[in-house]
Amino acid sequence: EVQLVESGGGLIQPGGSLRLSCAASGLIVNSNHMTWVRQAPGKGLEWVSVLYSGGSTYYADSVKGRFTISRDNSKNTLYLQMNSLRVEDTAVYYCARASSSGWPNFDYWGQGTLVTVSS
Amino acid sequence: DIQMTQSPSSLSASVGDRVTITCRAGQSISTYLNWYQQKPGKAPKLLIYAASSLQSGVPSRFSGSGSGTDFTLSISSLQPEDFATYYCQQSYSFPYTFGQGTKLEIK
Repeated sequence: EVQLVESGGGLIQPGGSLRLSCAASGLIVNSNHMTWVRQAPGKGLEWVSVLYSGGSTYYADSVKGRFTISRDNSKNTLYLQMNSLRVEDTAVYYCARASSSGWPNFDYWGQGTLVTVSS
Repeated sequence: DIQMTQSPSSLSASVGDRVTITCRAGQSISTYLNWYQQKPGKAPKLLIYAASSLQSGVPSRFSGSGSGTDFTLSISSLQPEDFATYYCQQSYSFPYTFGQGTKLEIK
């Protein structure tokens, strides 16, 4: 059974940094495409970033230059380093597997971790 | 960015009803269209991928259709557990944008 467990969220002041983790079991992070999606309180879903198994990364324009997606193969864990945080980054952050079928989709999701950016 | 527009934004229906949700893409996305279901406080769940392929374990009362710019998600006979918010998502090009969501409520 695939399980993705996010951690690292919390309350942080604007301009601060936070690193989110997504510990995986039942799948090998570096053999899969992995992604982060966020959801602001009461709002819809917003794709944030993807890390392909081959190492390529892509980011939403709203986080480009501030967020970095990475993985630790020895810990089978995906990360999202978030710097220069803004109030508008407040959201629940989900990690998910991006299926490598011919039609990309997000088929396994974690439960999410809440990031609150506020002074 | 490819804009995804869902309609309606909210919908009231009864158990046993058939409902249809529409998603329109701002440009042609072939069949690179996914549908997700989200319940309050929970992560989204993949229902349909590639516009019409049913994800493993998803009941057959869910179906998807469409190609190009116009897509639909249909639920043939609503069950109590189907009341949730539904999102479409294009995976044709980055950023993988979502629709704004359709909240399906009990009438």
